[in-house]
Amino acid sequence: KAGVTQTPRYLIKTRGQQVTLSCSPISGHRSVSWYQQTPGQGLQFLFEYFSETQRNKGNFPGRFSGRQFSNSRSEMNVSTLELGDSALYLCASSLGTGEVDYGYTFGSGTRLTVV
Amino acid sequence: AQSVSQHNHHVILSEAASLELGCNYSYGGTVNLFWYVQYPGQHLQLLLKYFSGDPLVKGIKGFEAEFIKSKFSFNLRKPSVQWSDTAEYFCAVSGYSTLTFGKGTMLLVSP
Repeated sequence: KAGVTQTPRYLIKTRGQQVTLSCSPISGHRSVSWYQQTPGQGLQFLFEYFSETQRNKGNFPGRFSGRQFSNSRSEMNVSTLELGDSALYLCASSLGTGEVDYGYTFGSGTRLTVV
Repeated sequence: AQSVSQHNHHVILSEAASLELGCNYSYGGTVNLFWYVQYPGQHLQLLLKYFSGDPLVKGIKGFEAEFIKSKFSFNLRKPSVQWSDTAEYFCAVSGYSTLTFGKGTMLLVSP
């Protein structure tokens, strides 16, 4: 089965701009989670969507938002970009049913550079 | 709130040496534990996971981990590392539909 697809792979944006990242989960997976990976902070949870609803949210400012479509594809948006938003953004796909989730599959990520 | 602590940020080993990477977690509910690996330039891959049952879990590529509930630990082990094991290793705990990661341990295996 196809894996988790994230697009684009690389992005360069200017401070103040906004950006939208996309994630297509594994077929049949209804949960999509987003993570930010930086050398200093490691992997930090942004938010999780399940059946088009945000189910959990990490500790990020409101400039970071997301949504999920009826086909489970998800987008993440960052507005008013700051230099500190430069990071690898990872998407994880899972079944999302119940409290115990039996596995998360990660995409290759989108490398965002803010200049 | 859940948290994960990885003991070593960097580990350097020679090929054939044994490996043990420490991981301690804090979480109030039923715990699900994972080890992920990120090879240079590649995406995160699942090495192994623990949900319940036998606390000694075997994963891919000869890795194993032991869940010790009394110590809140989930250490990763491999008897003999190879140069191809050079990568960053992340321990993670799963709460309700989220993963909390440790800061990662960068393993460098010299040939």
